[in-house]
Amino acid sequence: SYVLTQPPSVSVAPGQTARITCGGNNIGSKSVHWYQQKPGQAPVLVVYDDSDRPSGIPERFSGSNSGNTATLTISRVEAGDEADYYCQVWDSSSDHPGVFGGGTKLTVL
Amino acid sequence: EVQLLESGGGLVQPGGSLRLSCAASGFTFSSYAMSWVRQAPGKGLEWVSAISGSGGSTYYADSVKGRFTISRDNSKNTLYLQMNSLRAEDTAVYYCAKAQEGYSYGGGFYYFDYWGQGTLVTVSS
Repeated sequence: SYVLTQPPSVSVAPGQTARITCGGNNIGSKSVHWYQQKPGQAPVLVVYDDSDRPSGIPERFSGSNSGNTATLTISRVEAGDEADYYCQVWDSSSDHPGVFGGGTKLTVL
Repeated sequence: EVQLLESGGGLVQPGGSLRLSCAASGFTFSSYAMSWVRQAPGKGLEWVSAISGSGGSTYYADSVKGRFTISRDNSKNTLYLQMNSLRAEDTAVYYCAKAQEGYSYGGGFYYFDYWGQGTLVTVSS
């Protein structure tokens, strides 16, 4: 089945740019979605279809996808962005199509 | 306002069964696929199962196939997950999620635009 690989942790100072990667075989041919999860809370969709933002999500959150890597970029990072972030794809060619990455803990220094 | 409210979690012995429910409101339930996603304590998200809006198509993770059954009652706006032959490794918070469908040159896909708050399932003797 399809595998998504994320770094366990990323650290960034407030006001800087955080980049969280999601690796997968030819992931650029798939649509990638990103979720933010804060402790004790349900996940929240922050980017869908590689680079679109749901209403209410700040423009500071953006996404890109090419080749074997998709990237979630958070500009002008704030303390409130500290959370776990997960990428997700739907592998329609598989019998088990739903796939999440292992998650990345974003720490704001 | 979209609301998803899970129920049915609890403590169950290994080999036992449990049925989770998810009551949905704030959208036309029958028009959307739905999914279950779980999270073991201190671990990441794991997709479990999904079902089309009509209920005619279902999908399962390899880890639960043959033990779990997803279903829906569109007249009651409710999603279900019947869990049989439960194992310790099934211990997790189970989230119900509304699926949004999309299409790209890579094919059709689902992502999850609304989530419930989750219900805890503990499998232990």
